[in-house]
Formats: sequence, structure tokens, C-alpha cells
Amino acid sequence: GEDVEQSLFLSVREGDSSVINCTYTDSSSTYLYWYKQEPGAGLQLLTYIFSNMDMKQDQRLTVLLNKKDKHLSLRIADTQTGDSAIYFCAESRRNNFNKFYFGSGTKLNVKP
Amino acid sequence: DAGITQSPRHKVTETGTPVTLRCHQTENHRYMYWYRQDPGHGLRLIHYSYGVKDTDKGEVSDGYSVSRSKTEDFLLTLESATSSQTSVYFCAISEGLTSGSTDTQYFGPGTRLTVL
Repeated sequence: GEDVEQSLFLSVREGDSSVINCTYTDSSSTYLYWYKQEPGAGLQLLTYIFSNMDMKQDQRLTVLLNKKDKHLSLRIADTQTGDSAIYFCAESRRNNFNKFYFGSGTKLNVKP
Repeated sequence: DAGITQSPRHKVTETGTPVTLRCHQTENHRYMYWYRQDPGHGLRLIHYSYGVKDTDKGEVSDGYSVSRSKTEDFLLTLESATSSQTSVYFCAISEGLTSGSTDTQYFGPGTRLTVL
């Protein structure tokens, strides 16, 4: 919703790296988030990045933020079959009652 | 995991009947949200609350109302359910931006609602 866009599908082989991309339009973003949703479950927070950072690494996850191009990416190293899920990016905006704006989600399929 | 529960987890109802979904939190967070999730649309905000008795509309609020009479409970009501309201409904909570914290939203497990 509201100008946060993601590609719908990504398919990778087990052991490869996955890169999920997200673009947004609002320059007043405070934090940008990645959530993971497994079938039949709610959204689980994976990681986040503050809008004045370029990169954040957390074990197998690397988040890159290009503020100039308003582009966010999530790289999963050594992708496992358990990483198969839908991944949502979300942005929060300053002075906006803490509302989030979500992308439509990218379904990651990991083939053995 | 954040202490968020939703009830019921599954419900089947008929067109025209009223339905109330409940979200309960044990975290004392200020902000609460109701979203619906539909294929191809991601999550869309229905209503949100920024305090007890303080609520406002989201992007898809038509046909829905909410109430928050105490910090821990946020109720979503469909006054007269329609088939277009068949969806999965998620509640989320947030502390909001405070010193030393992010404005992360934490999600409940969801309620699957079918309107026949």
C-alpha cells in the first residue's frame, strides 16, 4: 500500500543467496523493516534499519538501504528450505501515528 | 514473542450478521492496529488506535468500526458482514518511537474470517 513496491516471486536453490528488493517513495521514512510470514502464521519481525544507515548485517541477513534511490534490499546468505515464506518490507514515517506502509510481499521459494 | 492474542482464530458467518474480533495485548503498548490481508494486496490498514478511546481510520475502513476502552483490548466490528470482508485479519501493537526504541509493530497470529 501507498507506494511501497516489491516483486511478487523469487525462486532460488538451497545454498544460494536470495536478494529481495523493495522500493518506497516517501523521504520522511524513519525506520524500514523486513518481516517474514510463514503459511498460516502472523508476521514475524526479521530485521530493521534506521533511515540514516546504509547497511545492517545480522547473521545470514544483510539489509542495504539506498536513500537516494529509495531502494531497500534484504539478502539472505546460504538460503535454506526453511526460509521459504513471504517477505514484507515496511516503512514507518515521521509524525504519522506510527503507521506502517507495507509492500505486497515477495514469496520466496527455496528449491532443494 | 510479544504478548498478543486474537480471538476467535477462525470464524465462518453469514452475510448481514454482525461480527466482532478481539485483540488482546499484555505489553501495555500505546498503539494498536487492525489490518486485513488479501492475496495480491499485502496488508492494508483498517483502523488504528493511539490510546484509550483514541482511534482513527486507515485506508480500508468502510464497513468496519473499532473500539478501545482499555489499553489491552482493541475490538474490530463488522456491523453487517459482506462476502468482500472474507479475509485474514491481523492485529498489531507498537510502543511507538520512544527514547532508545524503534517503532516496531508486533503482530498477532491472525483471524481467518469467512463470510458466506
